[in-house]
Amino acid sequence: AQSVTQPDIHITVSEGASLELRCNYSYGATPYLFWYVQSPGQGLQLLLKYFSGDTLVQGIKGFEAEFKRSQSSFNLRKPSVHWSDAAEYFCAVGSTSNTGKLIFGQGTTLQVKP
Amino acid sequence: GAGVSQSPSNKVTEKGKDVELRCDPISGHTALYWYRQSLGQGLEFLIYFQGNSAPDKSGLPSDRFSAERTGGSVSTLTIQRTQQEDSAVYLCASSLDDIGGETQYFGPGTRLLVL
Repeated sequence: AQSVTQPDIHITVSEGASLELRCNYSYGATPYLFWYVQSPGQGLQLLLKYFSGDTLVQGIKGFEAEFKRSQSSFNLRKPSVHWSDAAEYFCAVGSTSNTGKLIFGQGTTLQVKP
Repeated sequence: GAGVSQSPSNKVTEKGKDVELRCDPISGHTALYWYRQSLGQGLEFLIYFQGNSAPDKSGLPSDRFSAERTGGSVSTLTIQRTQQEDSAVYLCASSLDDIGGETQYFGPGTRLLVL
């Protein structure tokens, strides 16, 4: 069965520091992979997605992610974190049944220290 | 343009009552998804619609949950005889179609509290 694991429930970084959020997936074929961000009281906003081609994907707000098939990973990175990046981040994989439904990881809460 | 809207924003109900949650997708989006976000369970898929049909209802947790979509647009998620474990945020998303990889746009959610 498909699954997504985000090993870090909570991460704290200092403003201006670099960030990497981990995501590992279980999937039988080339997956569709997504990163969403959820600010308090808000819905989910898509940061970036991967489904083919270049394994380094650029997204909004200065985020990027790299698909590594050998490691079954799709980690999210940002070179310099801003206080406004504090939010919950979700990694998701598209379903094998091709319905478009998403299977989400448990989420990582990012706290940014001044 | 308008995004996905959901109503009500918040709903408090008593155990045993029925509730209806509404989702207005982005105009022209044929696929509509319902997810539930709760503590300890994360984000779970409930059901999805392609047009007015629901090809995948596999995530509905019990027969107390049902959903419909009319006119290929608005969708209603109904929970009958609510239980405390139904307390969660119910999120709706829409996409242009149900092809894998298509971006889903999420609404702000309905926060349901069952007392």
